Amino acid sequence: GAVVSQHPSRVICKSGTSVKIECRSLDFQATTMFWYRQFPKQSLMLMATSNEGSKATYEQGVEKDKFLINHASLTLSTLTVTSAHPEDSSFYICSATTGADQPQHFGDGTRLSIL
Amino acid sequence: GENVEQHPSTLSVQEGDSAVIKCTYSDSASNYFPWYKQELGKRPQLIIDIRSNVGEKKDQRIAVTLNKTAKHFSLHITETQPEDSAVYFCAASEGYNFNKFYFGSGTKLNVKP
Repeated sequence: GAVVSQHPSRVICKSGTSVKIECRSLDFQATTMFWYRQFPKQSLMLMATSNEGSKATYEQGVEKDKFLINHASLTLSTLTVTSAHPEDSSFYICSATTGADQPQHFGDGTRLSIL
Repeated sequence: GENVEQHPSTLSVQEGDSAVIKCTYSDSASNYFPWYKQELGKRPQLIIDIRSNVGEKKDQRIAVTLNKTAKHFSLHITETQPEDSAVYFCAASEGYNFNKFYFGSGTKLNVKP
């Protein structure tokens, strides 16, 4: 149980393109989802917290207009990297939890490469 | 937010030896501390966690200890095996918010056969 699916797994696109990444909880309802960014050989940096039906809460230094997050249902959250540039290239991972006092379950991640 | 520091960044041990990874945190209100294992290109997997009302927790070859006064916690792996080789991340919750936590910088563990 507690499977989180993330799609796509790999994206390569040109600079200026907007890219949407989906995070789905397949067998549970996720009241909260988190989005992380991970640079090569580095830690997972929390970008934002996404609660179903409300606006995402962004960490300090993360541009909310650059990284648009939508959590439209209890099983789906999306991250859109708008007008992506090479510096946005990274590994993006989502996680989901059923609520308070429950662990986070991670997706497989999306490797984004902007040319 | 919470500041989590993790040491060492790399650790090499011989198969069968023990490995210890240490973390410190800054927020005295943190009360949930998970440990994740991440193999190359894969998702982080929760291997063990501990809550602030407990000083130690063990699950087979893996144990975690917590010292709330000193604000540090450690992961102990005994009888290491080559398949234990991976990157290990500690994390600490943002205050009492179990759901939200911040990760340490990671430790790359290499178990030599």
